[in-house]
Amino acid sequence: DARVTQTPRDKVTEMGQEVTMRCQPILGHNTVFWYRQTMMQGLELLAYFRNRAPLDDSGMPKDRFSAEMPDATLATLKIQPSEPRDSAVYFCASGSESNNYGYTFGSGTRLTVV
Amino acid sequence: EDQVTQSPEALRLQEGESSSLNCSYTVSGLRGLFWYRQDPGKGPEFLFTLYSAGEEKEKERLKATLTKKESFLHITAPKPEDSATYLCAVQARGGSTLGRLYFGRGTQLTVWP
Repeated sequence: DARVTQTPRDKVTEMGQEVTMRCQPILGHNTVFWYRQTMMQGLELLAYFRNRAPLDDSGMPKDRFSAEMPDATLATLKIQPSEPRDSAVYFCASGSESNNYGYTFGSGTRLTVV
Repeated sequence: EDQVTQSPEALRLQEGESSSLNCSYTVSGLRGLFWYRQDPGKGPEFLFTLYSAGEEKEKERLKATLTKKESFLHITAPKPEDSATYLCAVQARGGSTLGRLYFGRGTQLTVWP
């Protein structure tokens, strides 16, 4: 089965450090999402891309978060500097019109900022 | 503002005891309603998409239905392996929101033997 690959699986970092999370979407999918999941807020949309172009990043704190798609096989989410409140599970998901946007999620990156 | 509300927050069922989960939504033009299953430590797994009121989809012991204001996920004779969090999400038509999913908080289902 095709899958969305996220790395790293787990990340523990100190406050103030830079964190980069990576996502390899399913080949052929032209839409990529970054979601954050916490117990308090549930799943929150941070940013999404279509054909590598950013469509909406209004859910992302612009002063510390950035999202990019350097090519069709890689999406990155960067936090600099990281803060304890950023601790959450970050999910990447990809989809396309051909599968009616039934988005496929990766297994997530569990981030802990201490 | 587009919103999705799921109830109950948690549900405990004995194996074989059928029940339903609810997802009510407010969206400016529904393009699709999605159901996902999420197991602990994993990402959400796609189950169904519903597009119009009256539509139904089935998969094993699960059946999803859709009205103009809500969706139900019916679980018939559940088994312990059906234990998971079930998430509902809506996708609005057109404009800059095309494609994004608005998620509810989920219903945590536990099925005990």
